[in-house]
Amino acid sequence: KAGVTQTPRYLIKTRGQQVTLSCSPISGHRSVSWYQQTPGQGLQFLFEYFSETQRNKGNFPGRFSGRQFSNSRSEMNVSTLELGDSALYLCASSLTGDSNQPQHFGDGTRLSIL
Amino acid sequence: KQEVTQIPAALSVPEGENLVLNCSFTDSAIYNLQWFRQDPGKGLTSLLLIQSSQREQTSGRLNASLDKSSGRSTLYIAASQPGDSATYLCAVNYGNNRLAFGKGNQVVVIP
Repeated sequence: KAGVTQTPRYLIKTRGQQVTLSCSPISGHRSVSWYQQTPGQGLQFLFEYFSETQRNKGNFPGRFSGRQFSNSRSEMNVSTLELGDSALYLCASSLTGDSNQPQHFGDGTRLSIL
Repeated sequence: KQEVTQIPAALSVPEGENLVLNCSFTDSAIYNLQWFRQDPGKGLTSLLLIQSSQREQTSGRLNASLDKSSGRSTLYIAASQPGDSATYLCAVNYGNNRLAFGKGNQVVVIP
């Protein structure tokens, strides 16, 4: 069974641009969450989607947005990129989105802002 | 505020020694706690999940305990090997399927 797949693995952008990251969950999983990992702040929750609806959102500015499709695949978009957005962006999926379920992570997308 | 702390940030142990990693959390109203491993440049690999009603979970050389009342979890790795070198992260699920992470223990096992 394939794991969580994130594309692309690496991205280089410049300030002011926008970027879209993609996440395909484990087959059958319906919940997808996004996290940002930086050396200073560690892992921080961005948002979670279940059945194409955003259920939870972390404390990030509105430049960070996402969506989920009917096949449970999810995309995350960041507009007007800033240097501080350089990070590893991780996606996690779980079967039902129930808080008792384990979450499974992908290898992430490394975003570098020049 | 729901904070998760892992101390020390980094540690080295000789091969063959048992590893003991600690995680503390401020709010005991948890759903579960999950331990992950992260290798450099990689994502997170789930090691063990302990539900709030459980006291411990075991998988091979790994054992994780949970004491909700004191806000602590401990990950034990028996007979450490160089391949155990990685960063270990503790994550607490407080509900809403949202994980609060510690900053991790970076472990080096010296051959």
